[in-house]
Amino acid sequence: QTVVTQEPSFSVSPGGTVTLTCGLSSGSVSTSYYPSWYQQTPGQAPRTLIYSTNTRSSGVPDRFSGSILGNKAALTITGAQADDESDYYCVLYMGSGILVFGGGTKLTVL
Amino acid sequence: QVTLKESGPVLVKPTETLTLTCTVSGFSLSNARMGVSWIRQPPGKALEWLAHIFSNDEKSYSTSLKSRLTISKDTSKSQVVLTMTNMDPVDTATYYCARIERVCSSTSCYYWFDPWGQGTLVTVSS
Repeated sequence: QTVVTQEPSFSVSPGGTVTLTCGLSSGSVSTSYYPSWYQQTPGQAPRTLIYSTNTRSSGVPDRFSGSILGNKAALTITGAQADDESDYYCVLYMGSGILVFGGGTKLTVL
Repeated sequence: QVTLKESGPVLVKPTETLTLTCTVSGFSLSNARMGVSWIRQPPGKALEWLAHIFSNDEKSYSTSLKSRLTISKDTSKSQVVLTMTNMDPVDTATYYCARIERVCSSTSCYYWFDPWGQGTLVTVSS
């Protein structure tokens, strides 16, 4: 079974830029996987950031952007702020209505 | 304003069947572009997609849990129900429902979750 992979943790300095990635244990991620990204702070429900690779959900600031970098989906946060400190999850569409979450990345802003 | 709210038991015993209800407002379950998904998260662990259902009764299930899951809807009540059989302590998790949106072209569809319910913690223990 194909596993969706994410960095377990990442850190960024306030005001800095960070790129989180979402890959496959076997194969490359392309736009055909329609990656989406979700932010979750402890104790809260997830919040939708990006869908269909690079479309921002309503109300999401343009500091958050999605793309395909090489063989992975990517979420880039520019001008990192303290309240960006969260867990970030990607989801890939595997076809036939099947969606798979990655293991999540814990982002620290310090 | 779109909202989703999960309801169901807080505690279930091993081998029992879990039944969760998601009550939605602000959109209709008869909207062809929108459906409801269930997603769960064990304490301290990652999110896991379980199932979704659309207005035409199209359903999809997680490959690993398909044999234990059933999703259904009552459009008149704006409710989606998920049942999971043979519960085990490893199924202890916060269960979320989320609206799932779908956009289809002639060749493919894509999906995303937005918004999410607040989640309900289900503990499996004797």
